[in-house]
Amino acid sequence: DIQMTQSPSSLSASVGDRVTITCRASQSISSYLNWYQQKPGKAPKLLIYAASSLQSGVPSRFSGSGSGTDFTLTISSLQPEDFATYYCQQSYSTLGYTFGQGTKLEIK
Amino acid sequence: QVQLQESGPGLVKPSQTLSLTCTVSGGSISSGGYYWSWIRQHPGKGLEWIGYIYYSGSTYYNPSLKSRVTISVDTSKNQFSLKLSSVTAADTAVYYCARGRGGDQDFDYWGQGTLVTVSS
Repeated sequence: DIQMTQSPSSLSASVGDRVTITCRASQSISSYLNWYQQKPGKAPKLLIYAASSLQSGVPSRFSGSGSGTDFTLTISSLQPEDFATYYCQQSYSTLGYTFGQGTKLEIK
Repeated sequence: QVQLQESGPGLVKPSQTLSLTCTVSGGSISSGGYYWSWIRQHPGKGLEWIGYIYYSGSTYYNPSLKSRVTISVDTSKNQFSLKLSSVTAADTAVYYCARGRGGDQDFDYWGQGTLVTVSS
């Protein structure tokens, strides 16, 4: 199966900061990469699909890029409500849709 | 607005079968174009995709769970269900149902999740 590795595993940042989270696939997945935000006790929320497409209703400060094996999620100016855990997910292989281990974004 | 809601026992004994149902409202499972999935999250851990079903009944399961998983659909009730057999404590998790969009296979709508504990 395809392994997804996120870095960093945790990150401290301040309101207004620009933040980048990286996701690497163990093999090429083209652009079949999605990003989710999860807050404690809540279900994940889709932010970005197909590597760079913004889900409807998601603020434009979120953006995604990459293809092949390397992908990034960028938050251009952190807001208080953005402190959460972020997951990437590959949807390339029907042998199993796998998620990264998560990146916890905390307030500095 | 599509909504999904999981239901089922919160406590299951070891070696028994875990059974959950997801009720979909605000949209029809039969409309096609979507894959209805189960995903779980072990306490304090990441997300694990369990499998999906299409409205026609075709299924696909995570190979690591395939021998124990059955997902079924009842289009008349707009529901789909998960059965996981021979459970152990390692199956204790929050179980989510979610809608997967055809093509990109991202999950755009999720249920709130339900905690299932495996314990005697």
